[in-house]
Amino acid sequence: GAVVSQHPSRVICKSGTSVKIECRSLDFQATTMFWYRQFPKQSLMLMATSNEGSKATYEQGVEKDKFLINHASLTLSTLTVTSAHPEDSSFYICSAFTSGGFQETQYFGPGTRLLVL
Amino acid sequence: SQQGEEDPQALSIQEGENATMNCSYKTSINNLQWYRQNSGRGLVHLILIRSNEREKHSGRLRVTLDTSKKSSSLLITASRAADTASYFCATAETSGSRLTFGEGTQLTVNP
Repeated sequence: GAVVSQHPSRVICKSGTSVKIECRSLDFQATTMFWYRQFPKQSLMLMATSNEGSKATYEQGVEKDKFLINHASLTLSTLTVTSAHPEDSSFYICSAFTSGGFQETQYFGPGTRLLVL
Repeated sequence: SQQGEEDPQALSIQEGENATMNCSYKTSINNLQWYRQNSGRGLVHLILIRSNEREKHSGRLRVTLDTSKKSSSLLITASRAADTASYFCATAETSGSRLTFGEGTQLTVNP
C-alpha cells in the first residue's frame, strides 16, 4: 500500500524557535496533502490543504503566517511552525491523497509530536 | 469544526466479545471512512463505505451506513486485546476532499 513518512517523529524546542516538519509520499505522487493537528485525547482537526505548486488553503482559525506550508513537489510538503509557543505543542499528522488507485483514500503519516518548552 | 459525533466515547470489553461503535454526521457525504489509532501513533485506514452502499465487510470488521439517519456503525467481532485503540470515523463530502473526523471511541479489550 501507499506509504507516507514524516520527519521528525518527535521534536522538543524552546519557545520562540521555528520547527519544520516534512511529509513525504514514498511510493506515489500526491497532488494534495492535508495537515492535521491532534491534541491529547482529542480528534484530528484539519489545519490546511496543500496542493502542489499552489498556496495552501487554511481552515478558519488557523494562522497562515504562523503555520507555513510549502508543497514544492508531488512527493513533499512541509509545515513550519514559526515562533513556536507552548500552546503549539501537539501531534501533527499529514495525509496524502493519490489521484490514482483508490481515489477516495487518504494515506496518513505516522505523525510528529511537537513539545515546545 | 468536527461534524461527527461518536458514541460511546469509551468502551471496555472482554476478549472475544463484539464491539460496536457508532458515528453520526451532519452534512451530505460522498463516503465515510473508519480509522484506527494506537496511542500516540498515526492513523490506519480500516474501511471506506460509499454513500450508495449500506454495508461493507472486511475480515472481522463490519460497517453499516444509513444516510437517511446520517449515521454509521463499526462492528468488530471476536475482539482481541490487540484491537485496543481509538477508532475514528471520518466523512468526505466529495471524492478525495478533506476529511472531517468524529470525536473517536476509545476501545479497550481486556485479555
